[in-house]
Amino acid sequence: QKEVEQDPGPLSVPEGAIVSLNCTYSNSAFQYFMWYRQYSRKGPELLMYTYSSGNKEDGRFTAQVDKSSKYISLFIRDSQPSDSATYLCAMSRRMDSSYKLIFGSGTRLLVRP
Amino acid sequence: DAMVIQNPRYQVTQFGKPVTLSCSQTLNHNVMYWYQQKSSQAPKLLFHYYDKDFNNEADTPDNFQSRRPNTSFCFLDIRSPGLGDAAMYLCATSRRGRVNNQPQHFGDGTRLSIL
Repeated sequence: QKEVEQDPGPLSVPEGAIVSLNCTYSNSAFQYFMWYRQYSRKGPELLMYTYSSGNKEDGRFTAQVDKSSKYISLFIRDSQPSDSATYLCAMSRRMDSSYKLIFGSGTRLLVRP
Repeated sequence: DAMVIQNPRYQVTQFGKPVTLSCSQTLNHNVMYWYQQKSSQAPKLLFHYYDKDFNNEADTPDNFQSRRPNTSFCFLDIRSPGLGDAAMYLCATSRRGRVNNQPQHFGDGTRLSIL
């Protein structure tokens, strides 16, 4: 079983829709939770970074963490064609003296004009 | 205002011919990472440097090595590339404190092709 599970999609929505992207994880030691956006042939770009359970909002993006259910979500309001990309969830835990980042496999999102 | 810069963006090499990929950063972060990402897969950590301390992942092949001559630069050396090493190689940086860890910031990667 993978430590982090993420539906690969693709997820296709019309412009203006609310998008919900999700990840589940199995290790309760994860402390930090991130969402990255990756356009084709580009590196991952950090969108959201959270530490505790609850919601964090930044513009059209809301990240939600539920540690009790081991479940994280990213909501995109008023989705735009420019949001079409692969979204990677990631989470980190301490290992000895270092922090290791574990990624989900990514969900491909397509926002249709 | 690129902060993590990888060169070249595209690299073609021959089977078995050594190749070096480079990464530089303007963030003054103390940690630098190298990841391998194959098509439609999650990035896979190869190794990282915490300052000058090198940390290798247990499943990283011996074929892959790294150098960090100073804070700003880090290199990935592939001694004898095989066809299975064709992938996107991503460099990332972060600032690590004594009690917490900041998120990683990625470059745009080098796409490596093996002939």
